[in-house]
Amino acid sequence: SQTIHQWPATLVQPVGSPLSLECTVEGTSNPNLYWYRQAAGRGLQLLFYSVGIGQISSEVPQNLSASRPQDRQFILSSKKLLLSDSGFYLCAWSAKTALGFQYFGPGTRLLVL
Amino acid sequence: EDQVTQSPEALRLQEGESSSLNCSYTVSGLRGLFWYRQDPGKGPEFLFTLYSAGEEKEKERLKATLTKKESFLHITAPKPEDSATYLCAVQAYYGGSQGNLIFGKGTKLSVKP
Repeated sequence: SQTIHQWPATLVQPVGSPLSLECTVEGTSNPNLYWYRQAAGRGLQLLFYSVGIGQISSEVPQNLSASRPQDRQFILSSKKLLLSDSGFYLCAWSAKTALGFQYFGPGTRLLVL
Repeated sequence: EDQVTQSPEALRLQEGESSSLNCSYTVSGLRGLFWYRQDPGKGPEFLFTLYSAGEEKEKERLKATLTKKESFLHITAPKPEDSATYLCAVQAYYGGSQGNLIFGKGTKLSVKP
């Protein structure tokens, strides 16, 4: 069966520090991968999605970036965090043949102070 | 612009008190509508997908229905363990968000014993 992992589970970082969140998927190959942010009182906001290694699409302009160095690995990064980057970050995957079915990881809680 | 609106924002029920959650959507060609359940501090868990008006899906005490403008998640005789935030998302065939999921802000359900 497929599983999706995210780490770390919780992170507290000072403003201006770098960020690296990692997501890996097991039990499937060539998945579509997604990064979402969920802020209090707001819905899930799609940040990036990837249909393959090295292929990244950005949905919103921001100081975050994403990379997909391997088929089942998706990384969310920032060179300098802002207070507004605080939130709950979720990684998700979908199979290319499954219409819309996205499966989410456990999430990373990021607090920028 | 593709849009999803969920109501109410919060719903408090007594155990056994049936009710419905609403998801209204505006999308340029509906490819699919998805319901997820999210427990506090965790990633969303997939519940149902609906593709065409008139379609219904059931799972235990939950029943999802779809019309051309909205979807309902009916909860029959809820139990405290049904307490969670329920998220609705749509996937469009066309437009700028083509292929990606657009989420509503969710309905937070609390069921008291």
